[in-house]
Amino acid sequence: GEDVEQSLFLSVREGDSSVINCTYTDSSSTYLYWYKQEPGAGLQLLTYIFSNMDMKQDQRLTVLLNKKDKHLSLRIADTQTGDSAIYFCAARSGGYQKVTFGTGTKLQVIP
Amino acid sequence: NAGVTQTPKFQVLKTGQSMTLQCAQDMNHNSMYWYRQDPGMGLRLIYYSASEGTTDKGEVPNGYNVSRLNKREFSLRLESAAPSQTSVYFCASSGRDAYGYTFGSGTRLTVV
Repeated sequence: GEDVEQSLFLSVREGDSSVINCTYTDSSSTYLYWYKQEPGAGLQLLTYIFSNMDMKQDQRLTVLLNKKDKHLSLRIADTQTGDSAIYFCAARSGGYQKVTFGTGTKLQVIP
Repeated sequence: NAGVTQTPKFQVLKTGQSMTLQCAQDMNHNSMYWYRQDPGMGLRLIYYSASEGTTDKGEVPNGYNVSRLNKREFSLRLESAAPSQTSVYFCASSGRDAYGYTFGSGTRLTVV
């Protein structure tokens, strides 16, 4: 089945850009998602990209997709302390029930 | 705009006790899911319900049962709790679109 991998931890200074990376294994994945989880809360959908797109921008968020390498990244511009959270990458392959989540990357923003 | 509501938020059980985690959504979504979240392991799917009246096993179904009571409600039951079931449990729902899942705020369960 699908395997989604992320690094566990990223630390950045406030005001810098953050780049969180993700790799997936199923080349037939149709949608790729980024979720944010704040302490004590559930996951919140941040953005998603369809597999026929290379890039998607949404305010401070930029998603890049390299389908050949099965690599997804989330760039957060001008990172703020409120961006401190765990970020999950997820890939959907097959039906809408078949979404696989990565282990999450904990983003720490240093003031 | 409640979204997905889970109860309870916290629970402590003794080994061997049973309990039911409740989940309800008000978005008219067809599909509902139960995940568990453990440190370093991300989210693992326990059971899902593609539509009212159907349920299917996910990645880690052993020790759990589910009921899709109606379109809104999907419950998860632990018949005989074990310490290995100590985890944070999330319910989620989705519609027939690309817009991902909507998650509840979770139930933190400790089995002693």
